[in-house]
This record gives sequence, structure tokens and C-alpha cells, in this order.
Amino acid sequence: DVKVTQSSRYLVKRTGEKVFLECVQDMDHENMFWYRQDPGLGLRLIYFSYDVKMKEKGDIPEGYSVSREKKERFSLILESASTNQTSMYLCASSRTVSGNTIYFGEGSWLTVV
Amino acid sequence: GQQLNQSPQSMFIQEGEDVSMNCTSSSIFNTWLWYKQDPGEGPVLLIALYKAGELTSNGRLTAQFGITRKDSFLNISASIPSDVGIYFCAGQLLGGGADGLTFGKGTHLIIQP
Repeated sequence: DVKVTQSSRYLVKRTGEKVFLECVQDMDHENMFWYRQDPGLGLRLIYFSYDVKMKEKGDIPEGYSVSREKKERFSLILESASTNQTSMYLCASSRTVSGNTIYFGEGSWLTVV
Repeated sequence: GQQLNQSPQSMFIQEGEDVSMNCTSSSIFNTWLWYKQDPGEGPVLLIALYKAGELTSNGRLTAQFGITRKDSFLNISASIPSDVGIYFCAGQLLGGGADGLTFGKGTHLIIQP
């Protein structure tokens, strides 16, 4: 089974703090993604990566950055957290040749106060 | 980005009833995916469809890839309490890259005993 693991399930951070969300997948997938999920807005793509050290902006990259130093690990960074970044963050991965079937992690609930 | 129209938004049904939901778009997709999300968890892949007209079952779940490639449906037969959750469709646009998945807003299934 594909396993995508997000290191933190629940975080509470203060406005202005730097926040790291870590994600690891164990299936040697080329592609990794970070989404945020908000009520009424559905899933929105923040960033994705199709290879080590490669990254591409998604639909809502503002206020976020990412890092992919190893194939299995994709980190989402909030340089200076703001209250409007309170959300559920979902990491996902896929293999390019599999029709882009993506597999999600369990999610990280971030509250910025 | 592209929009997927998923309906209904929510369903209130009795245990044992069959359920049907669908996703439509004005665009052509080459992959359709169906996910279920339990409260506080990440989406879990239920069924993946890769060919127009394909009909695939996973236990009590059946999904079809529409022959026009612009729609897909998911049926659940004889619903049980653990079917409660939010069901999402996702489509990979024809010619889309790794970031080319578009998600529906979800169907919230509620089962009354």
C-alpha cells in the first residue's frame, strides 16, 4: 500500500512564526503535492514537485514555499504564519506513469492565533 | 482552473438505501478518480478510472467513466453507517501535467439509522 505520512497532525502557531510541515512517501513517487482544504473552497493546490529540487507553483502559492531535497520528502514552509493560513493541509504523491492517481496523507490541521 | 461540478452537495439517506452521485465538466478528462474523506482525515482513493466507458467496482461501490469523457458517476449500494463522509471526484485533464488534477467540491453523505 502507498503510504504518505505527514509528521504533524495538529499544530497551533502564533502569527509571524515560521512553520514547517513535513511529508514523506514510501513508494518512490516522482510527484509530490501540497494542498490546502477549506470549507466551501474544496482542495486548492499550493505547490507541487515533479523531481528532486524541482518545484512549481500551484493555484495559491502566496505566503508559502517548499523544499524537496530528497525524492521521498516534500516540505511546506510558511515563512511568517498569518491567521488566514489556518487550514487543513494535505500532502499527496503520485507516479507520473500511473495516470496521475494521487494518494493523500492524513492531513495536518494548522491553527494560527 | 477548470471546474468540476459535483452533485449533490449533500445527501441525507436511510441506512440500506442506494446512493448515486456524479461529476460533470465542459472539459475532456483522461482520468477520473473517486475519493472518500472521513472527518479529520485525508482523502482515501476508492476507485480510479482510465478509459472512457470503463465501469469499475470496489465492493459495494461502482464508478463509471462517461463515454463523452466529460463526466463520471459513483454509486454505493446498500449503504451502511461507515459510508458516512465526504466523497470527492477528481479529473485529470486531457494533456494535463502532474498538476492537472481538478477536484469537485464534494458530496457530503449522511446516513440516518
